[in-house]
Amino acid sequence: AQSVTQLGSHVSVSEGALVLLRCNYSSSVPPYLFWYVQYPNQGLQLLLKYTSAATLVKGINGFEAEFKKSETSFHLTKPSAHMSDAAEYFCAVSGREYGNKLVFGAGTILRVKS
Amino acid sequence: GAGVSQSPRYKVTKRGQDVALRCDPISGHVSLYWYRQALGQGPEFLTYFNYEAQQDKSGLPNDRFSAERPEGSISTLTIQRTEQRDSAMYRCASSLVPSGSQETQYFGPGTRLLVL
Repeated sequence: AQSVTQLGSHVSVSEGALVLLRCNYSSSVPPYLFWYVQYPNQGLQLLLKYTSAATLVKGINGFEAEFKKSETSFHLTKPSAHMSDAAEYFCAVSGREYGNKLVFGAGTILRVKS
Repeated sequence: GAGVSQSPRYKVTKRGQDVALRCDPISGHVSLYWYRQALGQGPEFLTYFNYEAQQDKSGLPNDRFSAERPEGSISTLTIQRTEQRDSAMYRCASSLVPSGSQETQYFGPGTRLLVL
């Protein structure tokens, strides 16, 4: 079974609209969860991470994500999309169950329309 | 400050040749990771080091792949007798402390390998 599932390989939103990128994980114990962003020709950059403190995590560039144990989800949101948000976004999970390495989802490409 | 650097950024090689990919982590970072990313997929773990010790190499696909970090800083990922299926982006990451699961991994720009 997939450890991390990102629903939607491509998401398109209009500038100023809500961004919602979905991530579900499978784990028998609460894991650590991460969102990374990849801009063209650049390395992966951490947006935010959940490490069992507050369930609502705020990250850079106005993004936030909420850990919902009952839904095994960690969806990424931003209230108002900006053209500069166009990139590929990866959800990742880590923890004892994964041998302390990052296990990534397949990624979601976000397109922002003007 | 300097981030993780990788060289070369692009490598084209012929099938059967050996290649060496280099990663220079953030200064002082203890842990170093290698990932491989195929087109349209997320990065997949290959191996990682704490200092110079290789802790986990379970992700290396076969014995043509090897990695070293002899002085606990720069690391080299070597692929022997390359095959076309080895074509991918190879990413390196480092983290400040020995691999706690919650530690942030900082990624380099990657090396794009194309095997003809």
